[in-house]
Amino acid sequence: GEDVEQSLFLSVREGDSSVINCTYTDSSSTYLYWYKQEPGAGLQLLTYIFSNMDMKQDQRLTVLLNKKDKHLSLRIADTQTGDSAIYFCAEARRGGYNKLIFGAGTRLAVHP
Amino acid sequence: DVKVTQSSRYLVKRTGEKVFLECVQDMDHENMFWYRQDPGLGLRLIYFSYDVKMKEKGDIPEGYSVSREKKERFSLILESASTNQTSMYLCASSLSGGGPQETQYFGPGTRLLVL
Repeated sequence: GEDVEQSLFLSVREGDSSVINCTYTDSSSTYLYWYKQEPGAGLQLLTYIFSNMDMKQDQRLTVLLNKKDKHLSLRIADTQTGDSAIYFCAEARRGGYNKLIFGAGTRLAVHP
Repeated sequence: DVKVTQSSRYLVKRTGEKVFLECVQDMDHENMFWYRQDPGLGLRLIYFSYDVKMKEKGDIPEGYSVSREKKERFSLILESASTNQTSMYLCASSLSGGGPQETQYFGPGTRLLVL
């Protein structure tokens, strides 16, 4: 179907690693994105990965892409309370423009 | 830095009112988008525009219209607001040309309550 799927909630202890998972549907998607939304705010681009890559690392963030299983994950190392937010994955599908299909978002709660 | 601004953070309107939501971007982006965000549903595309005076329907255009008279400004119009249009509205913009330059940048959102 059309859906990009994510689990809705994740709770982690401060200092631990967080792993947020996402499955997408279109094997021809060109780019996959992770956005962060803090309470009451818009979406902030965190990172993206091109579909011919397996992994991308950016400071505390690691993105893993398994194209065969259409599975995307975002790992946040040393999770801090400031990482508490909703995380959206999105796939960019080919077409007249890169149409973004979003998942429902994963709410990450970081507790002491 | 890309800056996308939206005219209001919070709006309260009555059923049947005409509502205008304004979005402005300062990066000379060709593409602009309007989404609504509802809990458990993620973001759904209402309309987008790839050039001045051009518009295309997204996935849920019913009950909405848009206007793009200038490149930097994209307006979302609710002709006759209804309670099921209570939502968070997010505007985004991007360059054209394919690839990562089509990354979308979002405004802070407008939370609309229709009574």
